[in-house]
Amino acid sequence: LAKITQPISMDSYEGQEVNITCSHNNIATNDYITWYQQFPSQGPRFIIQGYKTKVTNEVASLFIPADRKSSTLSLPRVSLSDTAVYYCLVGDAGRRALTFGSGTRLQVQP
Amino acid sequence: GAVVSQHPSWVICKSGTSVKIECRSLDFQATTMFWYRQFPKQSLMLMATSNEGSKATYEQGVEKDKFLINHASLTLSTLTVTSAHPEDSSFYICSAKDRDSGNTIYFGEGSWLTVV
Repeated sequence: LAKITQPISMDSYEGQEVNITCSHNNIATNDYITWYQQFPSQGPRFIIQGYKTKVTNEVASLFIPADRKSSTLSLPRVSLSDTAVYYCLVGDAGRRALTFGSGTRLQVQP
Repeated sequence: GAVVSQHPSWVICKSGTSVKIECRSLDFQATTMFWYRQFPKQSLMLMATSNEGSKATYEQGVEKDKFLINHASLTLSTLTVTSAHPEDSSFYICSAKDRDSGNTIYFGEGSWLTVV
């Protein structure tokens, strides 16, 4: 299983762009990278998923370099409601091998 | 997006009793469902993986006789905590893999279990 590391916490201000990087040095060929947002006492909410290069949706972008040993979640113009824990999940759901990072606690200040 | 529903959202039970938590995929079929446990301020820990119509696969250190998992249909998996003890108190979260959407899994809202 991939070993995942993320920063424990990050601070930002409203309106800023936030980039959270996840390291997954031994990612396997079939593994995808998925990011989730979790608020207290709630299940994780899907944000974005990618395999390589760049993926963008209405809420975030995901940058994955060619070697795929890391990935960066980019949240444009964060607001107070983006204060949450962000998890990087690496694995192949079809093979059951899924590993969560320890989560990054993002605190957005006014 | 895909919706996964858990029930109950929270439950309190007496020590020694059993409690069942349901996980349903509401708008998609899930061949695979995952059960996680999460302690306060910690990451999610995978407990077991259930595949529709077959026995669940448990992670190392998870007692299969204590945490009974049934995945009888493509939209329902259940986790039964048997002979619950206070140390089983935790936040239990299920997730489901959409059969038709590749590698994405979606999570339920979670269920708080308190054993007194």
